[in-house]
Amino acid sequence: AQKITQTQPGMFVQEKEAVTLDCTYDTSDQSYGLFWYKQPSSGEMIFLIYQGSYDEQNATEGRYSLNFQKARKSANLVISASQLGDSAMYFCAMRDSQGSNYKLTFGKGTLLTVNP
Amino acid sequence: GAVVSQHPSRVICKSGTSVKIECRSLDFQATTMFWYRQFPKQSLMLMATSNEGSKATYEQGVEKDKFLINHASLTLSTLTVTSAHPEDSSFYICSAKNERGGWADTQYFGPGTRLTVL
Repeated sequence: AQKITQTQPGMFVQEKEAVTLDCTYDTSDQSYGLFWYKQPSSGEMIFLIYQGSYDEQNATEGRYSLNFQKARKSANLVISASQLGDSAMYFCAMRDSQGSNYKLTFGKGTLLTVNP
Repeated sequence: GAVVSQHPSRVICKSGTSVKIECRSLDFQATTMFWYRQFPKQSLMLMATSNEGSKATYEQGVEKDKFLINHASLTLSTLTVTSAHPEDSSFYICSAKNERGGWADTQYFGPGTRLTVL
């Protein structure tokens, strides 16, 4: 069974600094995808970044980058130059390739607070 | 980009009544939609996978007779909470799979529906 672990219930960062949110995963699949979503207090799930298990380079999307260490089964999210609007819950998720429905398994999330 | 809407965004009902939540993919067809439930300060838990034209697949522990799912068209899936009770109060979120999307963005999430059962 798949499992996503986010060990940081809460994180604090000063505005304009970088922050790393941890995510480790467990799967027996060779082909899988890793995702990070942001959920502000409004509740909507905002897709941030994706990393495929066969991608050799770390994914980047603007201020977001994913530090993918396959051997360690970790997929940490790095947010550079934090902004006040980055304060939100952040969820790491994994999708396997088995079957045709591509279900997502989510971690418990990390609540990020950006201080001015 | 792909947009998924949910209606209503918020609903308050009395115990014992049924509530229907709609999930629509606005600019793409979705043969597969997913329904999640999220309790306060917790993660998203997949309830069921909704496939257009066929019965939904429920996750273990989810009562199919209580949470009725209908996916009658390629752009609409509905979740009906039957005989709702206070313990059903939660945030319900749907997502839709874009068949033409790649690995990264094939699931688009709706804004969620907050259900409160009195």
